[in-house]
Order: sequence, then structure tokens, then C-alpha cells
Amino acid sequence: NAGVMQNPRHLVRRRGQEARLRCSPMKGHSHVYWYRQLPEEGLKFMVYLQKENIIDESGMPKERFSAEFPKEGPSILRIQQVVRGDSAAYFCASSPSQGNSPLHFGNGTRLTVT
Amino acid sequence: QKEVEQNSGPLSVPEGAIASLNCTYSDRGSQSFFWYRQYSGKSPELIMFIYSNGDKEDGRFTAQLNKASQYVSLLIRDSQPSDSATYLCAVRPAVRGSQGNLIFGKGTKLSVKP
Repeated sequence: NAGVMQNPRHLVRRRGQEARLRCSPMKGHSHVYWYRQLPEEGLKFMVYLQKENIIDESGMPKERFSAEFPKEGPSILRIQQVVRGDSAAYFCASSPSQGNSPLHFGNGTRLTVT
Repeated sequence: QKEVEQNSGPLSVPEGAIASLNCTYSDRGSQSFFWYRQYSGKSPELIMFIYSNGDKEDGRFTAQLNKASQYVSLLIRDSQPSDSATYLCAVRPAVRGSQGNLIFGKGTKLSVKP
């Protein structure tokens, strides 16, 4: 499968726990983007990363949220001390490094905080 | 604040008709425009992208761009019930040049009645 891979597909956490969402970009893509989508809402940009660099984190909440894209392995979106308001679908997208390219999305991780 | 505006709908058209979906954007310097389709509970799927003023056709889909009016539209000819979905307009902000995140509208829900 050459598409954007996200796991897990569904994640249930109790309030106060940590959530870790993983994303492997499409083969040949070096740019990764994280978006959050609340029910009946649009996609909200969170963070844009290249390998070992955060390029734009203007959409990330200032506290509890962090993201990384290490030299080896998938990109990780980490949410510490989750609250009910963090319940949402989190989508990862990727694009190649060259050209004016669209983003290709993974299947998303549905986070439920109980 | 860069914004992308869409009529939330629902837009209801009979099978076989032309569906017209509209989008306006606030960042006058934007150069890249994208249409995604999202079925309920699924991830966004790229339909078309357009960079130049005018029309771009791909099968039953036509994207239209008017940069002077800051307006982009998507026409779906011979609409089918399987086209029923939410259509997301996305714009890459000018500051991002040819790379970087997209700003999404909230989407227009299309319903094609048999």
C-alpha cells in the first residue's frame, strides 16, 4: 500500500491519559501535515513538518500538543493529559518536496476521550 | 486571518443534473486551489486542483478559477447518487508559495436524488 498510513484507526483514552497518533507518509513524500476535524466541522490545520523539522505549528494548541517527524520512522502527534474536547478525527496528509502539489490524506485516527 | 468560505448546503440536485459548488477566499495572493470530496466518516479525497484562471476539465468534473473575483467553483455534470458527499474547497496561502499547508472551507454537503 503506497498511500498515507495512519494508526491506530480508533483510539479511546480516559481523561488525563496520553494519546499518540502515528503517520507514515506516501512513498517519496517528505512533507507531513496534521489536521483535526470536529463533527460537522471543517478541517483545521495543526502542524506542518519535514524530516526533523517543524516548519509551521501555528495551528497547534500551545499546551499538551506536540508533533515530531524523526529521521527514521513515522510522524507522531502526541496529546498529553487528554480532555473530552480533544475527541475528534485527526488526519495526516503528505506531499512531495518538489512542485506545487496537493496533499494526500490518510484514513485518519478517531480519538474518543471518555 | 486567511479564510475560505463555502455554502454549507445541503445542495440537493436530481440525478443527471449539473451540481455547482462555489468557494471564495480572502488571500488575494493565493496561487493554488483544490477540491476534495469527503464521504461521511471517511478521509478527504482529492478530486481536482487548479492553478490558472479559467476552466479545467477532468471527466465529469470542471474546476473554474477567477482570481480577480477570488472565486473558485466545481461543476459536476451528470450527477450520480454516488456523488453525494461533502465537497471541501482548499487554498494554499500565498505566504507558503508552492509548498505548505492548505486552508480548508467547511464544505458543502451535496445530495443527489435518484
